[in-house]
Amino acid sequence: EAGVTQSPTHLIKTRGQQATLRCSPISGHTSVYWYQQALGLGLQFLLWYDEGEERNRGNFPPRFSGRQFPNYSSELNVNALELEDSALYLCASSPGTGVRETQYFGPGTRLLVL
Amino acid sequence: DAKTTQPPSMDCAEGRAANLPCNHSTISGNEYVYWYRQIHSQGPQYIIHGLKNNETNEMASLIITEDRKSSTLILPHATLRDTAVYYCIVRAGSGSARQLTFGSGTQLTVLP
Repeated sequence: EAGVTQSPTHLIKTRGQQATLRCSPISGHTSVYWYQQALGLGLQFLLWYDEGEERNRGNFPPRFSGRQFPNYSSELNVNALELEDSALYLCASSPGTGVRETQYFGPGTRLLVL
Repeated sequence: DAKTTQPPSMDCAEGRAANLPCNHSTISGNEYVYWYRQIHSQGPQYIIHGLKNNETNEMASLIITEDRKSSTLILPHATLRDTAVYYCIVRAGSGSARQLTFGSGTQLTVLP
């Protein structure tokens, strides 16, 4: 069974540009989570999508946004990039709602903002 | 979600059992304990989770104390490839707070 996939693996942008990161969940999973791991910092929750709807977001500015498509894949968009947006962006998927759902992570996209 | 406390680092000899402790003294009755690990900035890998009974799978065992205020992850025969940051996470999963809240974790170094 294929795991969570993310693309691209690496992305280099300059300050002020926009970045689009993509995530394909495990087949059958309907929930997608996005996390940011900046250098020297822990993993921080960004966004949660389930059944095409944004269910929750972390403490990030509105220039971090995303969407979930009918096939449950997801995009994370970061507008007006700042240097501190340089980080590893991780996507995780889970089967959906329920207390015992387990999140499975992809390999991440490493974004570098110059 | 309840906060967790883990030692920042631990060493373990290759082939020996690695016992990683986690304190979650404010855990609520409906909160599960999850363990993940992250190897060298790869995506976190799910290891195991439990509510109140001890759990075992092909990777590890999870021992939860009777009062559920602490737990121990056991890697029975640690190998060099088990060197990673191990995260203990407590999560309820109800309502809108389904995300995982990662702390600093424990850096486990398996020594040859």
